[in-house]
Order: sequence, then structure tokens, then C-alpha cells
Amino acid sequence: EAQVTQNPRYLITVTGKKLTVTCSQNMNHEYMSWYRQDPGLGLRQIYYSMNVEVTDKGDVPEGYKVSRKEKRNFPLILESPSPNQTSLYFCASSLWQGTETQYFGPGTRLLVL
Amino acid sequence: QKEVEQNSGPLSVPEGAIASLNCTYSDRGSQSFFWYRQYSGKSPELIMSIYSNGDKEDGRFTAQLNKASQYVSLLIRDSQPSDSATYLCAGKDAGNMLTFGGGTRLMVKP
Repeated sequence: EAQVTQNPRYLITVTGKKLTVTCSQNMNHEYMSWYRQDPGLGLRQIYYSMNVEVTDKGDVPEGYKVSRKEKRNFPLILESPSPNQTSLYFCASSLWQGTETQYFGPGTRLLVL
Repeated sequence: QKEVEQNSGPLSVPEGAIASLNCTYSDRGSQSFFWYRQYSGKSPELIMSIYSNGDKEDGRFTAQLNKASQYVSLLIRDSQPSDSATYLCAGKDAGNMLTFGGGTRLMVKP
């Protein structure tokens, strides 16, 4: 089944404790991205990647890191989480950047205390 | 700063009525527009895309685009309780970057 998976789905952590949210897709998509969703603000892009070893900042990259060592995986790293990073995070992938259909993962709900 | 604006709602309509969802955008360079539906606790799913001025119909859904007024809308005919969700409008610019609006929550009452 074609899908985007994210882990963990729910995470409670404390300020400053490094964490990684994994994202994996099995559709051989070139383009992957991370969004955060906050009430009333819609989806805001954090980082995106157009292919292996190619990543770039989105609209709200501060406090986040990503890597794209393999085509299928695109982990999101919070080196020192802060409470303002409490949010719902979505990973998405598409065949390439211009493709209109993005496939979203199920989301990761993060609470930083 | 590119902006896509939506009324957060909730927009409440009775079952069988037409639901009208609206969206305005600030970037005249935006080329194409999309409507995503997001059920509570779920991820967004694409339901409509529109690239040129006018109307585009797909089943009970009609997307409308007016580039001169920088206005996009989504009409849902014969609304069903299963249409109750948050609808996200998004615009794509010439660089293929998507900007999402905050979403409108639609409630269809039986």
C-alpha cells in the first residue's frame, strides 16, 4: 500500500531534550516536506527536500533540522525543543515538487513542556 | 509575505444545502489553487485543484477562481454530514511553493 508513515504519532517531551520524528514513504517520491499545523494558521512549511542530499528551508525553519540521506526517509530533528514548538506535524511527499498531489502522513502531535 | 486568508468558521449548513467556502490570496504570482479536506485528527487530502479563471466541477464539488479579484471558492452541493470537516485553501506560486490558508470548519447538520 502506497503510504507515508510517521513515528511517533504522539510525543510528550521536556524543553531541551533532543528528539527526532521519522518520516518514510514507499512511493519512490523525489519531493518530501515537513509542515506544522497550529490552530488558525493552517499548514506552514518547515523544510523541504527535492531529492537525496538536497534540502531547503520553508517558511518556519527556526529550531528544526532535517536530513535526506535516502530517498524514502526524511527525519525532522528538534535539537533543543521549546514550548513554542508544541504543534501537529505532518510529513508529505510527492513525485516531484511541481506535482499537485501531495500525500500526507498521519501526523505527529508533539507537546513540549 | 504571501498570504492566503480564510474565514475560520464554523460555517453551519443544513443537510442538502449548498455550502460555500471562500478564500482570498495576496500573491498575484500564484498560478494554481487547491482545496484540501481535513477531518478532525486526520491528515489533509486533496479534493479539488483549479488553474484557470472560471469554474471547475467534480461531482458535488465546484471550485471557482477569479484571478482579477484574487478570490477562490469551493461550493459543495447537496451537503452531507460526512462533508463536515475543515477545508484548507492553498495557492502555489511560480516557484511551486504552496501557501495554505488557516482553514474553514464546515458543519453540516442532519
